[in-house]
Amino acid sequence: GAVVSQHPSRVICKSGTSVKIECRSLDFQATTMFWYRQFPKQSLMLMATSNEGSKATYEQGVEKDKFLINHASLTLSTLTVTSAHPEDSSFYICSAPGAGELFFGEGSRLTVL
Amino acid sequence: SQKIEQNSEALNIQEGKTATLTCNYTNYSPAYLQWYRQDPGRGPVFLLLIRENEKEKRKERLKVTFDTTLKQSLFHITASQPADSATYLCALEVSSASKIIFGSGTRLSIRP
Repeated sequence: GAVVSQHPSRVICKSGTSVKIECRSLDFQATTMFWYRQFPKQSLMLMATSNEGSKATYEQGVEKDKFLINHASLTLSTLTVTSAHPEDSSFYICSAPGAGELFFGEGSRLTVL
Repeated sequence: SQKIEQNSEALNIQEGKTATLTCNYTNYSPAYLQWYRQDPGRGPVFLLLIRENEKEKRKERLKVTFDTTLKQSLFHITASQPADSATYLCALEVSSASKIIFGSGTRLSIRP
């Protein structure tokens, strides 16, 4: 199946700093990518839909200025958590749609100290 | 309001038995419904998709049913094995918004 690579897998940062997470589709082109956040023992919550060549679509309650999404090419979408705080600590997962399924990255565990 | 609910947060069964997981939704009319498996610290992996005009779909030891009247999908694992232990998520497409949303997941544990 198609492969989505997500990097970094783990990141620890200090409060107030920014962290960038990359999501790449390795063997296919993705005009759309989805970014999810998952807190421990909870399900995936959709944060935003990343669209190549246009602005991302954010879900209600997700701050656009805090979670910057850039879909720079057909194989790369990035999520930048700006001015991170401990409450932003979570598991962030990207995915790209295929034929009837989502292909997920391995996720990025963010810990903000 | 719109909801996707997986009634059991956790399910423990004996190896060899059939595991049955439930997914209910309200105020959606999905064209299809999907099931994913997620292991701890990993991204979900797609298992099966069932369309609104299909009542049942099978893949090896997996079986999924979809009842659009009851607004419910059942996910069965027959001859369960300890390796089947994981969290299972149902998901459906919100076609009006071209996005996929997930249920809360059921953590399945198969004991030897």
